[in-house]
Amino acid sequence: AQKVTQAQTEISVVEKEDVTLDCVYETRDTTYYLFWYKQPPSGELVFLIRRNSFDEQNEISGRYSWNFQKSTSSFNFTITASQVVDSAVYFCALSDPYNFNKFYFGSGTKLNVKP
Amino acid sequence: GAVVSQHPSWVICKSGTSVKIECRSLDFQATTMFWYRQFPKQSLMLMATSNEGSKATYEQGVEKDKFLINHASLTLSTLTVTSAHPEDSSFYICSALGLADTYEQYFGPGTRLTVT
Repeated sequence: AQKVTQAQTEISVVEKEDVTLDCVYETRDTTYYLFWYKQPPSGELVFLIRRNSFDEQNEISGRYSWNFQKSTSSFNFTITASQVVDSAVYFCALSDPYNFNKFYFGSGTKLNVKP
Repeated sequence: GAVVSQHPSWVICKSGTSVKIECRSLDFQATTMFWYRQFPKQSLMLMATSNEGSKATYEQGVEKDKFLINHASLTLSTLTVTSAHPEDSSFYICSALGLADTYEQYFGPGTRLTVT
């Protein structure tokens, strides 16, 4: 069965610090998709990244970077030089093996960035 | 582009009444929409998959007679919580798949339901 674990319930950092959000997943399948979403206080989920299981290249987008390690079943997310606007709950998600559009979400990590 | 709206954004109702929540894809057509439920400080749990023109597919443990889903057009899906009880109070979020882009869901802003 698909399972996503985000062990960090809540993280607090001071602005400009780097922060890494952990995501560990479980699946018996070789083909799957991983996602990260941001949920600001307004509630609307914002898509950040999608990665398929065959692409282990790390990705960088501005201050955001993702490290995908199949060997450890992890898909960690790092924010460099954090800003107050990064404060939100971040969810990692894994697709269903029979329906890639069906997601299993982790419990989320609440990030507090203090000025 | 790819905007999904929900209406209402929040609603308070009395026990025993029914509440309808709308999910609309504003600038694209969506054959498939999803309904999630999120309890305070918890993750999103998929309730059902809504397909235009056919019956919704419910996840295990979700009562289909209580949570009625209708996807009558390519831009609108509705979730009706029938005979609501306080335990139905939650944040309900919908998402939509664009016709051209699978695997990426566009999420609505959510509807907060409080049943008194």
